[in-house]
Amino acid sequence: DTAVSQTPKYLVTQMGNDKSIKCEQNLGHDTMYWYKQDSKKFLKIMFSYNNKELIINETVPNRFSPKSPDKAHLNLHINSLELGDSAVYFCASSRLSGRAPIFGPGTRLTVL
Amino acid sequence: GEDVEQSLFLSVREGDSSVINCTYTDSSSTYLYWYKQEPGAGLQLLTYIFSNMDMKQDQRLTVLLNKKDKHLSLRIADTQTGDSAIYFCAESEDNAGNMLTFGGGTRLMVKP
Repeated sequence: DTAVSQTPKYLVTQMGNDKSIKCEQNLGHDTMYWYKQDSKKFLKIMFSYNNKELIINETVPNRFSPKSPDKAHLNLHINSLELGDSAVYFCASSRLSGRAPIFGPGTRLTVL
Repeated sequence: GEDVEQSLFLSVREGDSSVINCTYTDSSSTYLYWYKQEPGAGLQLLTYIFSNMDMKQDQRLTVLLNKKDKHLSLRIADTQTGDSAIYFCAESEDNAGNMLTFGGGTRLMVKP
């Protein structure tokens, strides 16, 4: 199936831990994104990345960092997890311009 | 910054038409999107419209754009119980890495 996939689907961890969420797309897209959806369902862009440029939403703490081993993957690393990081994180991908981003199924992160 | 607003809730009877409204503030929006999110699921792209279009129709879905008033609507004809979900309006600019700014979502409830 052509799609955007994320692992894990659920992630439960303790405050202060470091964790990663993986994302892969097989759509041949050149741009990938991470979005955060909070408990009130508000969605906010965190990062936009293609092989030339990383655009960071200025409100994202620097504990969050995207890492792209190749064009098909954009992983999200989170250091020193805090309670407020609990949310659903969505990966998405698209062509750089003019095409609607396709979203992954989401990863529900719970920080205890 | 950009702002996208939607009403929180809409309830309709099965078979009726649903109209979900959205307003945005960014006059340089290039694309406007509608996504659907079912409970516990990811974001499904329904349709999108380029800012130089007034209307787009796709089967039961009709998108209307009033660029002067910065108002976007999604009409769902013959609404079914399976249409119950949260509907998100979003906008992007062509020169902003195709990052989306989302509205808060409208929860559509379809009663049998």
